[in-house]
Amino acid sequence: AQKVTQAQTEISVVEKEDVTLDCVYETRDTTYYLFWYKQPPSGELVFLIRRNSFDEQNEISGRYSWNFQKSTSSFNFTITASQVVDSAVYFCALNIVGAGTASKLTFGTGTRLQVTL
Amino acid sequence: EPEVTQTPSHQVTQMGQEVILRCVPISNHLYFYWYRQILGQKVEFLVSFYNNEISEKSEIFDDQFSVERPDGSNFTLKIRSTKLEDSAMYFCASSVVQGATSYRREQYFGPGTRLTVT
Repeated sequence: AQKVTQAQTEISVVEKEDVTLDCVYETRDTTYYLFWYKQPPSGELVFLIRRNSFDEQNEISGRYSWNFQKSTSSFNFTITASQVVDSAVYFCALNIVGAGTASKLTFGTGTRLQVTL
Repeated sequence: EPEVTQTPSHQVTQMGQEVILRCVPISNHLYFYWYRQILGQKVEFLVSFYNNEISEKSEIFDDQFSVERPDGSNFTLKIRSTKLEDSAMYFCASSVVQGATSYRREQYFGPGTRLTVT
């Protein structure tokens, strides 16, 4: 069985601070995908990034960066120079390749990020 | 940009009533899903659907639930006899563009239907 743990329930930062959201996953499968989704106050789930298990290269997209470390089963997400619009709940999710292309996403419990002025 | 749509945005129903939640997945996607999120909790998988049949379902998806793709565009979730604990946000998602490499497995979610059972 697979599991995703987001130990930080809620984080509050002041605008322009950097913030890192932690994600630790568990799976016995060797091939899998990891995702981050953003859920703003309006409630929708917005896809941010996909990372597969055989590509440990870190990725940067504007103010967002992701650090994937297979050795520690972690896929952390950093927002640089946070803005009020970053305020949302962020979910990390795991998808197992061996279970088929239609396989489910297993979500963590989410981290609520509050960015204030 | 294509997106998943869901109707209604909010449904209020009485316990024991049947509800049908509707979704229009992204038109060239092949795989469809339903998830639910009880208020303040994590997103939980209900069911996945491919090639007009269920691929996988969770233990939440019992006999009270069913899914259907009645035509080429809609994907529905029916709850036969709603219970108070069915109150949640229900998300539809779709993935994998027809003809694309299978590594592009990100699921795109609709805005959700908030179901309130009284």
